[in-house]
Amino acid sequence: GAGVSQSPSNKVTEKGKDVELRCDPISGHTALYWYRQSLGQGLEFLIYFQGNSAPDKSGLPSDRFSAERTGGSVSTLTIQRTQQEDSAVYLCASRYGGGSYEQYFGPGTRLTVT
Amino acid sequence: GESVGLHLPTLSVQEGDNSIINCAYSNSASDYFIWYKQESGKGPQFIIDIRSNMDKRQGQRVTVLLNKTVKHLSLQIAATQPGDSAVYFCAELRGGNEKLTFGTGTRLTIIP
Repeated sequence: GAGVSQSPSNKVTEKGKDVELRCDPISGHTALYWYRQSLGQGLEFLIYFQGNSAPDKSGLPSDRFSAERTGGSVSTLTIQRTQQEDSAVYLCASRYGGGSYEQYFGPGTRLTVT
Repeated sequence: GESVGLHLPTLSVQEGDNSIINCAYSNSASDYFIWYKQESGKGPQFIIDIRSNMDKRQGQRVTVLLNKTVKHLSLQIAATQPGDSAVYFCAELRGGNEKLTFGTGTRLTIIP
């Protein structure tokens, strides 16, 4: 079946503009995660959804970052007033739930803020 | 602070040889560990996991060893192939916490 998809694959934006990143999880997966990966670094947790609610938003770096999930499926990560330090690859992952902790990752969105 | 770290940032191995990638963790409450493989331009791909009540788990050509006494995790890849070249991350999960904490990764290069 289809894996996790993300769009766009690449996004170049000017400093100060808002951007929206989209994640389509694997059908039936109840949990959804957003991570950020800077060049040559590990993954930094941003936010986690269980269904449409976000029990853990602790990783969002500032109030310029927000995310929502609708219908227990698609999620969007919004970054307002982008800064150059926001440049990174934003990865989405989904998990079926139950006793499995395996997260399936999408290919990521490479965001470049100029 | 709490962290998951790797001993070696890069590792080069001759094709056909075995490789070992190491990972140290600092939180004794961690009870679940995962190894991910990330190829250039792709998202991380699950390789193998292990729970804290185990000390060894084997998959196809891969073995994960967990030493809780010294908080050390390793990934062994047998008979390496060119397709094994990638960055490998270990990640930990603490019970009741949905947040995976990732290490910075080790770049494995297989030399033909």
